[in-house]
Amino acid sequence: KQEVTQIPAALSVPEGENLVLNCSFTDSAIYNLQWFRQDPGKGLTSLLLIQSSQREQTSGRLNASLDKSSGRSTLYIAASQPGDSATYLCAVRGSSGNTPLVFGKGTRLSVIA
Amino acid sequence: DTAVSQTPKYLVTQMGNDKSIKCEQNLGHDTMYWYKQDSKKFLKIMFSYNNKELIINETVPNRFSPKSPDKAHLNLHINSLELGDSAVYFCASSQFGGALNIQYFGAGTRLSVL
Repeated sequence: KQEVTQIPAALSVPEGENLVLNCSFTDSAIYNLQWFRQDPGKGLTSLLLIQSSQREQTSGRLNASLDKSSGRSTLYIAASQPGDSATYLCAVRGSSGNTPLVFGKGTRLSVIA
Repeated sequence: DTAVSQTPKYLVTQMGNDKSIKCEQNLGHDTMYWYKQDSKKFLKIMFSYNNKELIINETVPNRFSPKSPDKAHLNLHINSLELGDSAVYFCASSQFGGALNIQYFGAGTRLSVL
């Protein structure tokens, strides 16, 4: 059964720093991996999706990498801003059929001005 | 225009009551999901429907009954509500076989059982 782990559980950094969030999964047979952002009391916003055949995806200051064989993904945030403060969730989709996402417990990021 | 919309946004009710949460997507997707986010913020799949047919049913009590009248709607009915049902429920949709297969989420329904 797929399990997704995210470390650290919480992270606090000063504004302007570059940072890396980590995600690991136990079953490497995935269809894709998705990074989400969740603001307090709000829904999920999809940030980046990496297909199993891809190594990385970039969107603005965000860069996500995928090493499927080792079951790892990282989300790199450059030049962090207070507006980046949120919980970041990693989720993987299995390779068979229209399987649902399996989520990690998230990393709660605080960017201090 | 909201892609995945859930109603209500907040739901406060007494133990033992029956309640429904509605979900609609206007993305033309053929697959819809219900997830539950517990007090520890952990998101877990409950149900998945593809073209109105149930394809995933995790170990959810049978007090929870999803209903999909058409591909654009997946409603969740909960009977005999219990304190442990308090959580945030998220609806999502995706297109099976789509190039990206991204799941889009609604804003969530915060259910509080008193």
